[in-house]
Amino acid sequence: EAGVAQSPRYKIIEKRQSVAFWCNPISGHATLYWYQQILGQGPKLLIQFQNNGVVDDSQLPKDRFSAERLKGVDSTLKIQPAKLEDSAVYLCASSFAGVYEQYFGPGTRLTVT
Amino acid sequence: AQSVTQLDSHVSVSEGTPVLLRCNYSSSYSPSLFWYVQHPNKGLQLLLKYTSAATLVKGINGFEAEFKKSETSFHLTKPSAHMSDAAEYFCVVSDQDPGGGADGLTFGKGTHLIIQP
Repeated sequence: EAGVAQSPRYKIIEKRQSVAFWCNPISGHATLYWYQQILGQGPKLLIQFQNNGVVDDSQLPKDRFSAERLKGVDSTLKIQPAKLEDSAVYLCASSFAGVYEQYFGPGTRLTVT
Repeated sequence: AQSVTQLDSHVSVSEGTPVLLRCNYSSSYSPSLFWYVQHPNKGLQLLLKYTSAATLVKGINGFEAEFKKSETSFHLTKPSAHMSDAAEYFCVVSDQDPGGGADGLTFGKGTHLIIQP
């Protein structure tokens, strides 16, 4: 079974630029999550989708971050404009609806200079 | 509300000796608890999970954890450490609310496990 795919794996941008990350979950997984992991910390949930609807985005900085999951499969996370403190690894995870085990992708390491 | 406290930021043990990584949690409802491992430049991998079945949970690579509700703890143990166990370990909680929905995962800050030869 193919795992969660993410791209790009690495991205370096200057502050105030925009950036987008892509995630393809495991086939059949209705629930998709985006996490932010700052160096030295545990991942923090940014947004949770159930199919193509948002379940929880309470920790998403909505003035600069946006996410969508068209057709309930792939998802994109965008940052516009980026700040230095956005430097982190952005992790995508997926799970079957109602089942707690989440499968994580390899992450995208973002560096904002 | 849910939260996790990992009591040690770093743990160092000698190869072949027991490993103990400590975790305390708080939750409003019925928690599910997990341990994830993250090797350098690798994705997060699930070690084991507790979801209200047996309180002693066995995971991969010889790890196990015991859910103790009275102590709100979910400590991770392994009888004999191997060099390949060196990694970052995260204790994680997810609440299930009375409506049956599962919250997103709340991670602890992580424990860095160092294995001395």
